Amino acid sequence: QSALTQPASVSGSPGQSITISCTGTSSDVGGYNYVSWYQQHPGKAPKLMIYDVSKRPSGVSNRFSGSKSGNTASLTISGLQAEDEADYYCCSYAGSSTLDWVFGGGTKLTVL
Amino acid sequence: EVQLVESGGGLVQPGRSLRLSCAASGFTFDDYAMHWVRQAPGKGLEWVSGISWNSGSTGYADSVKGRFTISRDNAKNSLYLQMNSLRAEDTALYYCAKGGFLYFDLWGRGTLVTVSS
Repeated sequence: QSALTQPASVSGSPGQSITISCTGTSSDVGGYNYVSWYQQHPGKAPKLMIYDVSKRPSGVSNRFSGSKSGNTASLTISGLQAEDEADYYCCSYAGSSTLDWVFGGGTKLTVL
Repeated sequence: EVQLVESGGGLVQPGRSLRLSCAASGFTFDDYAMHWVRQAPGKGLEWVSGISWNSGSTGYADSVKGRFTISRDNAKNSLYLQMNSLRAEDTALYYCAKGGFLYFDLWGRGTLVTVSS
């Protein structure tokens, strides 16, 4: 159960687009289309932003999108806004015969 | 209102035990898997344990396997985490999370567990 690999930080200016990568293995990200992404503002609980690689829950802006290629998943945020500044975590289902999930280390997004 | 409310955290000495609870409301509790996810101070998220809707399947992170036990009481809309042989590295904010199919779509505000002598 090694953590997924994310960049520690990314930044962008308002209106720009950024992409956060999330690299795992064939046992997690590459093996299942069950990658999810969570946004966490300081002192707050995480919020689901993307599930099943690219699906958005009701109420999440369409500026957020997800994709996957091989063992790497990506979260793209377009039209950056100040309120997007937060920590972002990817997560992948990793269980074959048991319940098992693995998170990424988290990425701090700074809106310049 | 759809919500999860954790309780039971506190300061505990290494080697001792603690039981966390999570009260669910606003949704049909026994339709969903439930999970515990923790976050050490200043660190990232770590999935701790999960349990299926009918308690038929459970899973644990390697870091807690053999020490923690997850359970649920569907009649009381409650989730539990029995934590034994606690270590300093178990110090964290423990979140209760509702399972979507294979993701976490509702989170509580967390309960803080501090393991220290």
